[in-house]
Amino acid sequence: GNSVTQMEGPVTLSEEAFLTINCTYTATGYPSLFWYVQYPGEGLQLLLKATKADDKGSNKGFEATYRKETTSFHLEKGSVQVSDSAVYFCALSPDYSDKLIFGTGTRLQVFP
Amino acid sequence: ETGVTQTPRHLVMGMTNKKSLKCEQHLGHNAMYWYKQSAKKPLELMFVYSLEERVENNSVPSRFSPECPNSSHLFLHLHTLQPEDSALYLCASSLGVGGAQETQYFGPGTRLLVL
Repeated sequence: GNSVTQMEGPVTLSEEAFLTINCTYTATGYPSLFWYVQYPGEGLQLLLKATKADDKGSNKGFEATYRKETTSFHLEKGSVQVSDSAVYFCALSPDYSDKLIFGTGTRLQVFP
Repeated sequence: ETGVTQTPRHLVMGMTNKKSLKCEQHLGHNAMYWYKQSAKKPLELMFVYSLEERVENNSVPSRFSPECPNSSHLFLHLHTLQPEDSALYLCASSLGVGGAQETQYFGPGTRLLVL
């Protein structure tokens, strides 16, 4: 079946540190991959996405590369800010579907 | 107002109450979704509507009853809920349903507490 596995949080970093949040997936065919972010008290917002192997999604300094050989879509940012503190969700949309299958989310806490 | 809105933002109800959650999207989308977000669990897709027709119902108990009167509005009617139904209920919309793997846009959610 289809599933998404994320690293457990919380991830605690100092401002300007390098961020990696791991995400691996299991899926048949060619899923699309997404990262959503949820700021405190808000709904989920699309952060970035990639629709085929080797695609790199990027937004607001965040990047993730669709790696089919390792079934991974790790989220990275070179220098985090306090305002990046939020919960980050990795998700996939199976081939020929609009369903979204989410991971459990990873809380990021950035301190000044 | 733009995007996806949900009301109320917070709701406390007893197990014998009947209440409704409302979602409205201002994006011109044709598909709408209800999700349940519980602590330490992945988001659970509850219902999917496409052009006001329910296309998916993921084994959700009958105490949750969705209604989609038009493509801009989605309701979730609640009755005789259980304490374990306490969660954040998120609404989302996308342009259409049909295998396009489109982006879903989420509302801020309704935080529900069942006493």
